[in-house]
Amino acid sequence: GENVGLHLPTLSVQEGDNSIINCAYSNSASDYFIWYKQESGKGPQFIIDIRSNMDKRQGQRVTVLLNKTVKHLSLQIAATQPGDSAVYFCAERYGKLTFGQGTILTVHP
Amino acid sequence: GAVVSQHPSRVICKSGTSVKIECRSLDFQATTMFWYRQFPKQSLMLMATSNEGSKATYEQGVEKDKFLINHASLTLSTLTVTSAHPEDSSFYICSAGGGVRTEAFFGQGTRLTVV
Repeated sequence: GENVGLHLPTLSVQEGDNSIINCAYSNSASDYFIWYKQESGKGPQFIIDIRSNMDKRQGQRVTVLLNKTVKHLSLQIAATQPGDSAVYFCAERYGKLTFGQGTILTVHP
Repeated sequence: GAVVSQHPSRVICKSGTSVKIECRSLDFQATTMFWYRQFPKQSLMLMATSNEGSKATYEQGVEKDKFLINHASLTLSTLTVTSAHPEDSSFYICSAGGGVRTEAFFGQGTRLTVV
């Protein structure tokens, strides 16, 4: 499944599918971007980050893509698992971190 | 990754009392710590930036006399919610900074309920 924009704050996928979560950031001068996962009642957990001089970075099962031309950030999760169900936030840094609104990812077994 | 510990994880207090929340960086020296507030189903909102040995910088609309921040050492920052009211009930989260990546790590959060 694919999240087509921030006006759809929920994303439901089947276990094993790939997930794509999108984020539009606001400041073209932001130099650093982070994706977080937040489970209910817990603090945000760092997933992956990317600096503004890069356009792609890969981690374990996750990839972050940065398109500075349109100020867009995406998080791709491969082979999504039920344990990936959480709220995902992007954050941009220009002096301080500013968080996006979040996307609720639900993974169905 | 860096470890940030926040305590307590949840607290219930009566209206009019004060509550102190601690944020500790366990494996690095945090020159800067950040305090956030999060309402249910909403994003994190930065309240203030705490710098070791100096006064905190508060975001617009955050009452500095109500949310007292102290950053007396490189490993500890505290947030005190003074004269708490039910509308102060929220999830408070800290993060610690000291370099490019260390600010990326957050504490576990504190659920404050004022009754």
